[in-house]
Amino acid sequence: GEEVAQTPKHLVRGEGQKAKLYCAPIKGHSYVFWYQQVLKNEFKFLISFQNENVFDETGMPKERFSAKCLPNSPCSLEIQATKLEDSAVYFCASSPIFPRQANYGYTFGSGTRLTVV
Amino acid sequence: AQKITQTQPGMFVQEKEAVTLDCTYDTSDQSYGLFWYKQPSSGEMIFLIYQGSYDEQNATEGRYSLNFQKARKSANLVISASQLGDSAMYFCAMRVFVFGPGTRLSVLP
Repeated sequence: GEEVAQTPKHLVRGEGQKAKLYCAPIKGHSYVFWYQQVLKNEFKFLISFQNENVFDETGMPKERFSAKCLPNSPCSLEIQATKLEDSAVYFCASSPIFPRQANYGYTFGSGTRLTVV
Repeated sequence: AQKITQTQPGMFVQEKEAVTLDCTYDTSDQSYGLFWYKQPSSGEMIFLIYQGSYDEQNATEGRYSLNFQKARKSANLVISASQLGDSAMYFCAMRVFVFGPGTRLSVLP
């Protein structure tokens, strides 16, 4: 499809529970990016993939957060033992090439709102 | 380290007037790209305009134009003829890794 599909749209978890978010990139897009946006303000890069390989994980919290992009499956972002501060909207984006010097096809999904209670 | 600064947390503009949203950046890279995104209250991120560091001309997309001053490391977004639907948060970003804190634009009727 021509959209980045993120599921679920909303996710509520009790503190300490696991949360798993999914992102299906646009077909043919090799790069996937995950971001965290707290309170519609700070927009923080978490991790990027080139196909199933981690490309850059400098923004990923060292503990509790993990992500995967496996062949023929949606990419996933998993948070173990969620905390209240993990409440945010998590955006995924995909791109056919690495958007180093251009913006060819770089597209955001509509986000997953995670609420930790 | 790369950093984006947007010094205007909030801006107001009268409908049909032009408005400039500021963005300055810090990088030691010679090759980079600068993006502007709009995020309305509904939450989705909408790509507006892109400027490559080696582009000789300022980028334009409809009512959006980018005032790119490489020596000053600034990439200000200019919205001409503001519309009520332009009310939103606006984010400046470098490549896809570094985002500014955003500017909330409110268009007044």
